[in-house]
Amino acid sequence: QKEVEQDPGPLSVPEGAIVSLNCTYSNSAFQYFMWYRQYSRKGPELLMYTYSSGNKEDGRFTAQVDKSSKYISLFIRDSQPSDSATYLCAMSGGGNKLTFGTGTQLKVEL
Amino acid sequence: DAGVIQSPRHEVTEMGQEVTLRCKPISGHNSLFWYRQTMMRGLELLIYFNNNVPIDDSGMPEDRFSAKMPNASFSTLKIQPSEPRDSAVYFCASSPRTSQLSGELFFGEGSRLTVL
Repeated sequence: QKEVEQDPGPLSVPEGAIVSLNCTYSNSAFQYFMWYRQYSRKGPELLMYTYSSGNKEDGRFTAQVDKSSKYISLFIRDSQPSDSATYLCAMSGGGNKLTFGTGTQLKVEL
Repeated sequence: DAGVIQSPRHEVTEMGQEVTLRCKPISGHNSLFWYRQTMMRGLELLIYFNNNVPIDDSGMPEDRFSAKMPNASFSTLKIQPSEPRDSAVYFCASSPRTSQLSGELFFGEGSRLTVL
């Protein structure tokens, strides 16, 4: 079993839809939770960052962490075609050694 | 400010050949990471350096892989001899000394390796 599980998709939604992306994990030591966005043929870039449990909002993006369920989510409101990318969850117990999910491919259609 | 710079962007080689991938991290960053990305396994950490010193190489698949960081502005990942199963996108990432965010990595655009 992988430490971090993520549905690979692809996920296709119409423009303006609310998107929900999720990851589950098994390592209780994870304290830091991140979402990276990766456009085609590019490197991943940090999108959202959360420490421990709770919610964090940044514009159209909301990250949620439920440590009791070992479950994290990223919500995208009013999705745009420019949001089409692969979204990778990542987590660590501290420091910079990250464990990544395999990524969910999202396509937002006009 | 220039981001992480990787070369070559694309490499096609034949099985058994030596492959060298290069990385220039962002100036002032003190941590450097080499990742490999495939469809099946996603992003896998191969090795990372702090202040040019290898800290964890447990992700290096086997002795055919080696990495060096001779100075703060340059690192190489070498595969010798290469095999078809090494085909993947190899990413270099760096992290700043002053970052308070654990896990804030800055990735290059990757080196796409195809071994025939």
